[in-house]
Amino acid sequence: GENVEQHPSTLSVQEGDSAVIKCTYSDSASNYFPWYKQELGKGPQLIIDIRSNVGEKKDQRIAVTLNKTAKHFSLHITETQPEDSAVYFCAASSSSGSARQLTFGSGTQLTVLP
Amino acid sequence: EAGVAQSPRYKIIEKRQSVAFWCNPISGHATLYWYQQILGQGPKLLIQFQNNGVVDDSQLPKDRFSAERLKGVDSTLKIQPAKLEDSAVYLCASSFARQEYGYTFGSGTRLTVV
Repeated sequence: GENVEQHPSTLSVQEGDSAVIKCTYSDSASNYFPWYKQELGKGPQLIIDIRSNVGEKKDQRIAVTLNKTAKHFSLHITETQPEDSAVYFCAASSSSGSARQLTFGSGTQLTVLP
Repeated sequence: EAGVAQSPRYKIIEKRQSVAFWCNPISGHATLYWYQQILGQGPKLLIQFQNNGVVDDSQLPKDRFSAERLKGVDSTLKIQPAKLEDSAVYLCASSFARQEYGYTFGSGTRLTVV
């Protein structure tokens, strides 16, 4: 099955700086890579996603890049703000005609220091 | 649109007792997932339903966990008997179709087994 590794487990940045979180996956059949933000006491919320036919996607201060050859993808947050502080999860989904499922990384606790 | 509803929000039980969690997905969402999130880890899939049928329950500990989705809408996840290691947040998610990429998660039920 799919295995997703995520680094770092914790990340502290100064407000206004950039944050980068990296993930690798094992299943070359995986074709969809979402990123979720989870705030304390809440469920994960989708913030951005990328499909395997795209190398980069951007949405305001958030961007995701995908390198299919190396099987890794990254989340980039620019101009970080205190409200960006949360746990971020990457995930990978494979779809081969049967059940499609997300396999999650172990999470990154991002702290933005004012 | 209304989100994925889960109840209860919190539950504390003694080991060997039983417990049940309830999930109401977004209206019209055919696919429903139950995930287990242990503190400090990413969510792990337990079971996936398509309408009222089970698509994948390969990671569900069937000796103690059971789940059903009556009439293809609400779902219930049960644990009997509970063990200390079952302490976790149980997340329910739904998506429009089996091959749909976007999951929406509920806020989860935090279970503590003492």
